[in-house]
Amino acid sequence: NAGVTQTPKFQVLKTGQSMTLQCAQDMNHEYMSWYRQDPGMGLRLIHYSVGAGITDQGEVPNGYNVSRSTTEDFPLRLLSAAPSQTSVYFCASSTLAVYEQYFGPGTRLTVT
Amino acid sequence: GEDVEQSLFLSVREGDSSVINCTYTDSSSTYLYWYKQEPGAGLQLLTYIFSNMDMKQDQRLTVLLNKKDKHLSLRIADTQTGDSAIYFCAVDNTDKLIFGTGTRLQVFP
Repeated sequence: NAGVTQTPKFQVLKTGQSMTLQCAQDMNHEYMSWYRQDPGMGLRLIHYSVGAGITDQGEVPNGYNVSRSTTEDFPLRLLSAAPSQTSVYFCASSTLAVYEQYFGPGTRLTVT
Repeated sequence: GEDVEQSLFLSVREGDSSVINCTYTDSSSTYLYWYKQEPGAGLQLLTYIFSNMDMKQDQRLTVLLNKKDKHLSLRIADTQTGDSAIYFCAVDNTDKLIFGTGTRLQVFP
């Protein structure tokens, strides 16, 4: 099993550009989520999904969209990048029974 | 909303025990978790404890839960340089995991 994979590993965007961060898992997990990690602030939940076709907002959803058309994939879209979105983004997945989340390696995003 | 707090730094000598503390506000969590993050990597689940337990031991790791005080701790026995990392506690809250700010553990010889 590859576990949770994320692409790209690094990305630099200009203000106003859009892009999609990819996340995939091969463990047949129902639950998938996106977090951002900023220094001194821990991980903050952006969006999450409890199954294909179902998504919901987390703590900091503004400026981000998600969709879940398959169990395996959960892409995160930045609609119009802003410098405040400079961060490290992590995708995670788990079963619904216990939120024993498996994390991807992260995407380091810089917005100039 | 739920608030999870940790101290930011802990420094210990190799071979000593480390104790990382966490406090939380929501008493309805079912599971409480400890994750480890090594430099440049994602988070890795270390252990978790069910909310009706007081203690869980897993090799060098001991988790203590005081529900009355809403306090969770992680003790690492015989701390090694490989234990240097950031440690996050997390609590479940409806469909979400709420993470603390993380404690950076530095182990010196």
